[in-house]
Amino acid sequence: GQQVMQIPQYQHVQEGEDFTTYCNSSTTLSNIQWYKQRPGGHPVFLIQLVKSGEVKKQKRLTFQFGEAKKNSSLHITATQTTDVGTYFCAGAGGTSYGKLTFGQGTILTVHP
Amino acid sequence: SQTIHQWPATLVQPVGSPLSLECTVEGTSNPNLYWYRQAAGRGLQLLFYSVGIGQISSEVPQNLSASRPQDRQFILSSKKLLLSDSGFYLCAWSVWGGPYNEQFFGPGTRLTVL
Repeated sequence: GQQVMQIPQYQHVQEGEDFTTYCNSSTTLSNIQWYKQRPGGHPVFLIQLVKSGEVKKQKRLTFQFGEAKKNSSLHITATQTTDVGTYFCAGAGGTSYGKLTFGQGTILTVHP
Repeated sequence: SQTIHQWPATLVQPVGSPLSLECTVEGTSNPNLYWYRQAAGRGLQLLFYSVGIGQISSEVPQNLSASRPQDRQFILSSKKLLLSDSGFYLCAWSVWGGPYNEQFFGPGTRLTVL
């Protein structure tokens, strides 16, 4: 079945440093989504990428979808303490059931 | 607007006891519904999904079961809990069909089996 690998598992940064997490799928995806889970909370949808090579930005966050639609990345510029949490990528295979395969997540810690 | 509810928020149960977790969605019709389990510090494991009343698909073999008695109600059950059933259980919904299938998660239930 479809597998989504995400690295790194953990990332510790000083406030102001940049952060990047990478996601790779074993199969071509119809779209990829990114979620953020704050400590003790539930995952919250951030963004969806659909087109090959697509790049989207949300303030300090930049999301990319690979040309082959099998990989993606999330880059945060100048991290802040509010960025702390776990970032998940989730790949969709294109069924109408809306099933997603989640990566294991990257736990981001930001030291002030 | 749509909202999703889960209860209870936390639960401590002895091994061998039954389980019933409930999830309800408001403000939408015919949603896709999902149950996930998240072990501490780990990713999300899809347990069940449903595309309609009475329609349940299981993703992993286990001693859990799911039911969807009403359009916007999703229930996770077990007849006898195991220690390995401990975790954070999340219910989610998405719009049926279409290319945009972002999922909206409930607040979750933290289950500890002792």
